[in-house]
Amino acid sequence: AIRMTQSPSSFSASTGDRVTITCRASQGISSYLAWYQQKPGKPPKLLIYAASTLQSGVPSRFSGSGSGTDFTLTISCLQSEDFATYYCQQYYSYPYTFGQGTKLEIK
Amino acid sequence: EVQLVESGGDLVQPGGSLRLSCAASGFTFSSYWMSWVRQAPRKGLEWVANIKQDGSEKYYVDSVKGRFTISRDNAKNSLYLQMNSLRAEDTAVYYCVRAKYAFDIWGQGTMVTVS
Repeated sequence: AIRMTQSPSSFSASTGDRVTITCRASQGISSYLAWYQQKPGKPPKLLIYAASTLQSGVPSRFSGSGSGTDFTLTISCLQSEDFATYYCQQYYSYPYTFGQGTKLEIK
Repeated sequence: EVQLVESGGDLVQPGGSLRLSCAASGFTFSSYWMSWVRQAPRKGLEWVANIKQDGSEKYYVDSVKGRFTISRDNAKNSLYLQMNSLRAEDTAVYYCVRAKYAFDIWGQGTMVTVS
């Protein structure tokens, strides 16, 4: 199985900050990479797919980049509603796998 | 409105069985791959199973192979997960998910507790 490793596992930031979360795959996955946001008690929400394509309705302050094994999720200007847990996921091959999550907290 | 609504979660003893259902609405169900994804309490996400539009292809995570069966009824716009030989480690919220580019539509989840 392809292992997805996110860093950092947790992070404190302030509204208005620019933050970057990284995700590394244990083998190449081309651009078959998605990012999700999850808030407590809610299902995950798709933010980005195909490594860099913004899902409809997602604010443009979210962006994704990368291909192969190294990927990043960037939030350009943190808003209060962005404090949540973020997961990357590969859908290149079965079994589909998720990163362990990055919890973004208010500083 | 595009919607997925799961049902069937319950408290079950180890070794028991449970069948989860997911009712889809607001989109052409038969046009999409569908999935089950689970999340153990205070843990991360784990993909469980996928099924092709016509049910001809199914894929599972190793930990549930031989115990869980994913199925669908396109006439009823419904997805199912039959879970047998349940273990404590199967305790989780189970999400029904539409698989378009990635997992683009999620249900609210149904809780399965094995104890």
